[in-house]
Amino acid sequence: KAGVTQTPRYLIKTRGQQVTLSCSPISGHRSVSWYQQTPGQGLQFLFEYFSETQRNKGNFPGRFSGRQFSNSRSEMNVSTLELGDSALYLCASSLAGVAAETQYFGPGTRLLVL
Amino acid sequence: AQTVTQSQPEMSVQEAETVTLSCTYDTSENNYYLFWYKQPPSRQMILVIRQEAYKQQNATENRFSVNFQKAAKSFSLKISDSQLGDTAMYFCAFMEYGNKLVFGAGTILRVKS
Repeated sequence: KAGVTQTPRYLIKTRGQQVTLSCSPISGHRSVSWYQQTPGQGLQFLFEYFSETQRNKGNFPGRFSGRQFSNSRSEMNVSTLELGDSALYLCASSLAGVAAETQYFGPGTRLLVL
Repeated sequence: AQTVTQSQPEMSVQEAETVTLSCTYDTSENNYYLFWYKQPPSRQMILVIRQEAYKQQNATENRFSVNFQKAAKSFSLKISDSQLGDTAMYFCAFMEYGNKLVFGAGTILRVKS
């Protein structure tokens, strides 16, 4: 079974631009969660989607948004990029998104904002 | 808010030896789940081991085992017979409900030959 895939793997943008990152979960998984990893703040939860609905949201500004499609693929969007948005963005999938399940992570998208 | 603390920013161990990574957490809940994830230089997060809080028996996965002390809110990871491939950043993580993982700051482990 294929793992979680994320595209693109690397991205360079300039301040003020917007960016869209994509995540395809493991086949059969319906929950997708997104995390931001930076040297200063560590790993922080962004949001979680299940059956095309956002179920949980972390403490990030409204510039960070996401969506999930009927095939469970998810995208996250960051508008009006700031230098501090430079990070590794990780997505993780699980079957039904309950606490008893393990989340499986993708390889991440490394975003650099100049 | 739940917090996870890893007090060892960096550790090193000789190949074939045993090392223990520490983790403490804070919660008022009784039912929750704990995880250790490994992040090698490739940046791929890999699950090492998980523990359900309602289980008293410590989890074991091959060379990896945990010491779960619920009353002390402690969840340490022991790696036996360390291998060069164990070199990575190790994250302790906590989940109580929903699907939100709360991570510690991580411990860099270097295995030396």
